[in-house]
Amino acid sequence: DAKTTQPTSMDCAEGRAANLPCNHSTISGNEYVYWYRQIHSQGPQYIIHGLKNNETNEMASLIITEDRKSSTLILPHATLRDTAVYYCIVREVGFGNEKLTFGTGTRLTIIP
Amino acid sequence: NAGVTQTPKFRILKIGQSMTLQCTQDMNHNYMYWYRQDPGMGLKLIYYSVGAGITDKGEVPNGYNVSRSTTEDFPLRLELAAPSQTSVYFCASRFLKGGVNQPQHFGDGTRLSIL
Repeated sequence: DAKTTQPTSMDCAEGRAANLPCNHSTISGNEYVYWYRQIHSQGPQYIIHGLKNNETNEMASLIITEDRKSSTLILPHATLRDTAVYYCIVREVGFGNEKLTFGTGTRLTIIP
Repeated sequence: NAGVTQTPKFRILKIGQSMTLQCTQDMNHNYMYWYRQDPGMGLKLIYYSVGAGITDKGEVPNGYNVSRSTTEDFPLRLELAAPSQTSVYFCASRFLKGGVNQPQHFGDGTRLSIL
């Protein structure tokens, strides 16, 4: 699975859009980009995933660059409950490859 | 709909003791997983199962055993607890539908200390 690089920490004002970048310059053509988050002392929570097109769901938007070497997770109107560690994961989907490689993620703090 | 349920939430063991961490899911998911997370680190895959009766090793299987006799349950067994197994253990599951890119759903973890 491709390695990802994320900033260690970020702050965002409550009510503003939080933009979390992820670099995955060695991504291959059949690898998806997944985002999970982990709120303190809880299990990881799935947010969104995509292959090459931009994706949006009720939680967030995922913007993947045309060359697929980086992506941005956007939380449109951050609330205090969005304070968490956010993990960007690149994974080749296929039978027998069941590992999700969690790095150290970005610690996002929402400021009141 | 409870999702993925793990018990117990906390446990302290003495070195050499054994215990079973329980995980059950009510979403009829085919795949189930066990991860461990050490302080300040990401998750590491211990074992996984693609269906009842089928299990396979992940990255860090030594010191653990699993079984999958039903779709719902995937217990993790520690036979001889060691201090290196002090960690937070997460169980996860996902559904096989139209391919393999369905996301995993996680339980809230079991915090295990070996003293």
